[in-house]
Amino acid sequence: GAGVSQTPSNKVTEKGKYVELRCDPISGHTALYWYRQSLGQGPEFLIYFQGTGAADDSGLPNDRFFAVRPEGSVSTLKIQRTERGDSAVYLCASSSQPGLAAEQFFGPGTRLTVL
Amino acid sequence: KQEVTQIPAALSVPEGENLVLNCSFTDSAIYNLQWFRQDPGKGLTSLLLIQSSQREQTSGRLNASLDKSSGRSTLYIAASQPGDSATYLCAVEKTSGSRLTFGEGTQLTVNP
Repeated sequence: GAGVSQTPSNKVTEKGKYVELRCDPISGHTALYWYRQSLGQGPEFLIYFQGTGAADDSGLPNDRFFAVRPEGSVSTLKIQRTERGDSAVYLCASSSQPGLAAEQFFGPGTRLTVL
Repeated sequence: KQEVTQIPAALSVPEGENLVLNCSFTDSAIYNLQWFRQDPGKGLTSLLLIQSSQREQTSGRLNASLDKSSGRSTLYIAASQPGDSATYLCAVEKTSGSRLTFGEGTQLTVNP
């Protein structure tokens, strides 16, 4: 596809369960970002990948959150022992090679609801 | 720590009006600033990107300006239309390829 895709679009889970959220960036984009957006707020940064490695993971709120990008393309955000406070929309973005004032292009998001 | 503020939080205007959305940031050492549009329940659509060396960018009825030294940007929308109704977010990037820091957005309603 032409844009960033995210699956699932909606995820409902119970407190304490494990979830995985997937992001498929624009083909050829080396940089990939995860953000989290609560209702009525702007997105908050979680983690940034350049290629396969996490260049900046300082936004991850705690060690229940983990993300991977093993082949430098698709990324998975993993949340262990989910809590009600994890409910939010999780947004993924990608951009082309940094240094070229590249825009970040966002996917439609995954709405996570923890009951 | 960079903080981004958007004023007003909400704005309702009649169709055809020209309007200005404001964005301010506390740390003027930025690489670029990006304006986004978000429709309800949707992701973000990039509208304009202004590099730190630029003062403005234009796309159709949209014009964004940047005054880096004062930590301010404005998004000007000319001849507003009901289809412009959405939340508008500004975000700043400190260094190339780094995270975006977002404001909380301005919710715009254009009434027919």
